[in-house]
Amino acid sequence: GNSVTQMEGPVTLSEEAFLTINCTYTATGYPSLFWYVQYPGEGLQLLLKATKADDKGSNKGFEATYRKETTSFHLEKGSVQVSDSAVYFCALYSGGGADGLTFGKGTHLIIQP
Amino acid sequence: GAGVSQSPSNKVTEKGKDVELRCDPISGHTALYWYRQSLGQGLEFLIYFQGNSAPDKSGLPSDRFSAERTGGSVSTLTIQRTQQEDSAVYLCASSFDFSSTGELFFGEGSRLTVL
Repeated sequence: GNSVTQMEGPVTLSEEAFLTINCTYTATGYPSLFWYVQYPGEGLQLLLKATKADDKGSNKGFEATYRKETTSFHLEKGSVQVSDSAVYFCALYSGGGADGLTFGKGTHLIIQP
Repeated sequence: GAGVSQSPSNKVTEKGKDVELRCDPISGHTALYWYRQSLGQGLEFLIYFQGNSAPDKSGLPSDRFSAERTGGSVSTLTIQRTQQEDSAVYLCASSFDFSSTGELFFGEGSRLTVL
């Protein structure tokens, strides 16, 4: 079956540091890949996505590149802010209904001023 | 509405009581999903609806859990005879048509605490 593996948290960084949150996946076929973000007290919201190999998704200064050869979709940001503190979920969708959507366990990011 | 709306936002109940959680999806979205988020456990898929039908109920944790959706809009998740292990945040999400994109719009969740 499909699976998504994220680095364990919490990840604590200082403001303006470089961020990488690793995500690797196992899936049949060619899934679409997503990063969702959950700010404190809120529901998840889509941050960015990529639908095919070598695509780069980007939003709010975050980027992730769909790497088929390494089955990865690492999230990066060049300079984080306190407001980026949240839980980040990597996910894949391989089609075929809700069973085809698989989330990672989430990575809690804490940015200190 | 503008977004997915869930109620109540917080619910504290005693063990053995029944609870109902409500989800109002984005207008026009035909697919609706329920997830459970427990501390340190990530997202657990419970059930989804395409229109009013639920093709797969195997994600529901036990027969104490049930869900329905009427009129292709509002959905209720019912937990009977609640247990302490049911304590979690229950998230609802909707999408225009899940078969095409996999992009979900989530509500803020209903936090359930069973004493």
